Amino acid sequence: QVQLMQSGTEVKKPGASVKVSCKASGFIFTNYGFSWVRQAPGQGLEWMGWISAFNGQTLLGQNLQDRVILTTDTSTTTAYMELRGLTSDDTAVYYCARAAGASSPDYWAQGTLVTVSS
Amino acid sequence: DIQLTQSPSSLSASVGDRVTITCRASQAINNFLSWYQQRPGKAPKLLIFGASTLQPGVPSRFSGSGSGTDFTLTISSLQPEDVGSYYCQKHNSAPFTFGPGTKVDIK
Repeated sequence: QVQLMQSGTEVKKPGASVKVSCKASGFIFTNYGFSWVRQAPGQGLEWMGWISAFNGQTLLGQNLQDRVILTTDTSTTTAYMELRGLTSDDTAVYYCARAAGASSPDYWAQGTLVTVSS
Repeated sequence: DIQLTQSPSSLSASVGDRVTITCRASQAINNFLSWYQQRPGKAPKLLIFGASTLQPGVPSRFSGSGSGTDFTLTISSLQPEDVGSYYCQKHNSAPFTFGPGTKVDIK
């Protein structure tokens, strides 16, 4: 069955970077892409970007495109999201989700809480 | 960029009620709209894509309609397990923006 498993909770200082992993199993990794979505405490969903596991093509949200790096590792069927230059506004739960093409994510991982605090 | 608005922002209804949530796009997006349910403390779950196609495994009391700029999610008979927030998302082209959400609870 399709499974997406993210790395655990992170606590970072302002200005630091964080890298969240998303281990995929139960489907052909390179047939899909991965969307990354975040949710600040008590807030709605914010689309961050998408990466193709087939060719590494990325689509990024304008708000974060200067600070976010999306990658995949086909040897370990893992997608990664790295966010640099963290501020308190980046405190959120970060989700990865499988997305055929660049469209509706159909399976979501459990989320990773990233807290940015001095 | 195309913006999405949702109404109402929250609603309270009784078990068995018919519930309707609206999503409006600032420009036409054909039928490239999805709906997600997010139960408290959980990850979002895809309910409907392509404006009206039910994701496999989703109960048939959920339905979607619309095209262009105006879309609707309907729950034909609200159940206790439907409590949570509902989000629309455009998927015609990047950025794949979400609507602000509608919070649903039981009266």
